[in-house]
Amino acid sequence: DQQVKQNSPSLSVQEGRISILNCDYTNSMFDYFLWYKKYPAEGPTFLISISSIKDKNEDGRFTVFLNKSAKHLSLHIVPSQPGDSAVYFCAAPQGGSEKLVFGKGTKLTVNP
Amino acid sequence: GAGVSQSPSNKVTEKGKDVELRCDPISGHTALYWYRQSLGQGLEFLIYFQGNSAPDKSGLPSDRFSAERTGGSVSTLTIQRTQQEDSAVYLCASSLARPGRSTIYFGEGSWLTVV
Repeated sequence: DQQVKQNSPSLSVQEGRISILNCDYTNSMFDYFLWYKKYPAEGPTFLISISSIKDKNEDGRFTVFLNKSAKHLSLHIVPSQPGDSAVYFCAAPQGGSEKLVFGKGTKLTVNP
Repeated sequence: GAGVSQSPSNKVTEKGKDVELRCDPISGHTALYWYRQSLGQGLEFLIYFQGNSAPDKSGLPSDRFSAERTGGSVSTLTIQRTQQEDSAVYLCASSLARPGRSTIYFGEGSWLTVV
């Protein structure tokens, strides 16, 4: 049962344009969401998070939007840079436990 | 080092052999997690340690998998009688407190190949 879904396995954008990575979730009890970035042969690194009491959180070029009614969140990167090329994972702490549930990831390629 | 350290970084083993994977969390972090990522899959939760509490083992895929954390610091993930489907990158992570409320820091992973 995939509680966190990233339906696009890959995304390719041009440098300078906006990258939009999407994530859907099924568990309405999720109250906190995180995005992680992973380069090849490295562990994932925390990027940005959002609490369910907000609908937007911005950090520099990265903005996460949360639509609770649609159980959907998205990560916007603008402007995209070639160094942003990585796999992006959406995650949420599972209610009542301490484990993070991750999506399968979206591989972003930013072309120069 | 200041980050989460894992060893070995790469391990090739024959089917049926046992393997041990080690994780040194960031000093002072009370929470420690093991995840694995198989080819084309997301990060799959395996086990979680928090301080002196009983670990959350709900993600361990079979009784061939076990983990311990000695002295609240170093952790060892053991896979007995390895199978080819165990091939994956095994990621350890640590944090100060609850996930999401405190950033989880991942190690670079131990790449396991069972032949």
